[in-house]
Amino acid sequence: DAKTTQPTSMDCAEGRAANLPCNHSTISGNEYVYWYRQIHSQGPQYIIHGLKNNETNEMASLIITEDRKSSTLILPHATLRDTAVYYCIGSYSTLTFGKGTMLLVSP
Amino acid sequence: KAGVTQTPRYLIKTRGQQVTLSCSPISGHRSVSWYQQTPGQGLQFLFEYFSETQRNKGNFPGRFSGRQFSNSRSEMNVSTLELGDSALYLCASSSDDWRWNTEAFFGQGTRLTVV
Repeated sequence: DAKTTQPTSMDCAEGRAANLPCNHSTISGNEYVYWYRQIHSQGPQYIIHGLKNNETNEMASLIITEDRKSSTLILPHATLRDTAVYYCIGSYSTLTFGKGTMLLVSP
Repeated sequence: KAGVTQTPRYLIKTRGQQVTLSCSPISGHRSVSWYQQTPGQGLQFLFEYFSETQRNKGNFPGRFSGRQFSNSRSEMNVSTLELGDSALYLCASSSDDWRWNTEAFFGQGTRLTVV
């Protein structure tokens, strides 16, 4: 199982890009990197996932380093509604989501 | 397409009692996973069911159990409730094992308070 490390908290100004890093140096070869977020008191929401290539969808972009030891989730134009806890998880890790990164988007 | 439905949304129980929580997955999804979320421990995996069989289990005592029915609906049961069982219990459904290139969809959770 990949052990992931994320900063405890980050701030971002509304309208700017939010770049959330995640270290997963122990990730296995076929293990996907998933990103979820949780807005206060709601269930986690799927954002994006990837294996080796960079991925983009309507919510975000995922940049995975070539050695797959780390990745960055990019919210291109953060809004106040993006304030949430963001979790990076290796797909073999069903045991725990960890503490994630609390992203605070300010006006 | 209806999302994941968890019932009830809120529950208050007394120590020593038992409780049953319900989760209806998205139509067509056969995998249901359960998580416990507390402020101190974060989101922790309880167990996963796929086609009525428990496929994975987390590190929780035997007081926590679950089952899945033929229509994929799942229930989890906690017996002999303790104060520390107070938590948000979340259910996630996916079409298959979400670890293999498919996303999981979470319900809004059941907030259990043990007094």
